[in-house]
Amino acid sequence: GAVVSQHPSWVICKSGTSVKIECRSLDFQATTMFWYRQFPKQSLMLMATSNEGSKATYEQGVEKDKFLINHASLTLSTLTVTSAHPEDSSFYICSASHRTNTEAFFGQGTRLTVV
Amino acid sequence: AQSVTQLDSHVSVSEGTPVLLRCNYSSSYSPSLFWYVQHPNKGLQLLLKYTSAATLVKGINGFEAEFKKSETSFHLTKPSAHMSDAAEYFCVVSVLNRDDKIIFGKGTRLHILP
Repeated sequence: GAVVSQHPSWVICKSGTSVKIECRSLDFQATTMFWYRQFPKQSLMLMATSNEGSKATYEQGVEKDKFLINHASLTLSTLTVTSAHPEDSSFYICSASHRTNTEAFFGQGTRLTVV
Repeated sequence: AQSVTQLDSHVSVSEGTPVLLRCNYSSSYSPSLFWYVQHPNKGLQLLLKYTSAATLVKGINGFEAEFKKSETSFHLTKPSAHMSDAAEYFCVVSVLNRDDKIIFGKGTRLHILP
């Protein structure tokens, strides 16, 4: 299958700072990227969907000003957690797909800890 | 609209016995269906996928699943459980080519008893 690389795999930051997570499709052009959040022992919750070159579509209850998503190219999307707080600590996972595919490919996730 | 229901939040089986993890879905379109496994503090690993070809799908590590349209089910099975199968399993429905949606089930925690 196709490869999606997510970086960093883990990050610790201080409360009030911002953190950027990158999601890259290494061997295909990702026309759509998805960002998920996973709380301990829970399923993945879709945060937003982004199509290359357009603004992300956020799910209900997700603060778009706090979780900034950029999908400026066909191989890169970024999620920036702004002014992070301890309650933002979570596992964040991205996935990417091309419009001709019925399958999305997942990154390995980023463990964010805000102290 | 699409949805997926994993009928059991926890399943416990003895090592060497069969595994059955149940999944039902609903979709306005012909869906693609997937099973993923997640070990603790790890990312997702694709076990198998159904994309409108053969209804019995074989995956990695001896897992397989059967797509039953009449029952709107996609249950995951394995003939003989191994200790290393202990993990969280997610059933996923996708209609990317119609609706840009990937929907996750709530997950089933599989426990393997020695």
